[in-house]
Amino acid sequence: SAVISQKPSRDICQRGTSLTIQCQVDSQVTMMFWYRQQPGQSLTLIATANQGSEATYESGFVIDKFPISRPNLTFSTLTVSNMSPEDSSIYLCSVLTGYNEQFFGPGTRLTVL
Amino acid sequence: GDSVTQMEGPVTLSEEAFLTINCTYTATGYPSLFWYVQYPGEGLQLLLKATKADDKGSNKGFEATYRKETTSFHLEKGSVQVSDSAVYFCALSGHRVDYKLSFGAGTTVTVRA
Repeated sequence: SAVISQKPSRDICQRGTSLTIQCQVDSQVTMMFWYRQQPGQSLTLIATANQGSEATYESGFVIDKFPISRPNLTFSTLTVSNMSPEDSSIYLCSVLTGYNEQFFGPGTRLTVL
Repeated sequence: GDSVTQMEGPVTLSEEAFLTINCTYTATGYPSLFWYVQYPGEGLQLLLKATKADDKGSNKGFEATYRKETTSFHLEKGSVQVSDSAVYFCALSGHRVDYKLSFGAGTTVTVRA
């Protein structure tokens, strides 16, 4: 398994502002992912964070709204830009281990007022 | 595309009852299948997995068998405890290149003493 931490754990933000969420892993991993879990809903993949290249976004998610950085094999950030109340969700990063298992961080609970 | 259909809850059981949560999937090729659990106030944890047909995943008294003929991966536990109260997610990883997870809607299970 992998130990994953996220910062911040929660935040309350004003609409129109941006928030950057950090994800740190205790070991080098090839693949990192960002998911969103809207209130009472399941998880939806936002993008795959690629080290050294641009992230790969899923349908319905765009780089201008959710820019992602992956400067090395243990760290990634997700920014939620120009936020609206509809962006209120839990944002989770995950990593893929050598056994094709994804482990998730504790999540960042975002509330947009 | 790949998708997971999961029995919707909520499910309420008495302690020591038998639990089944149905999960069926649609995928091209040969996906890997997973059950994740989210305990109240906690992050998402991998409960068990199966990577090929007829594989049985097991952990913490839970079991699920990969049934290709019925495209199912039902979760079972013979005798639940109050501590099993959680939200359970069925998920699949359909591609051995990008390893993206597709999640079911989640099933909330409450076990009463």
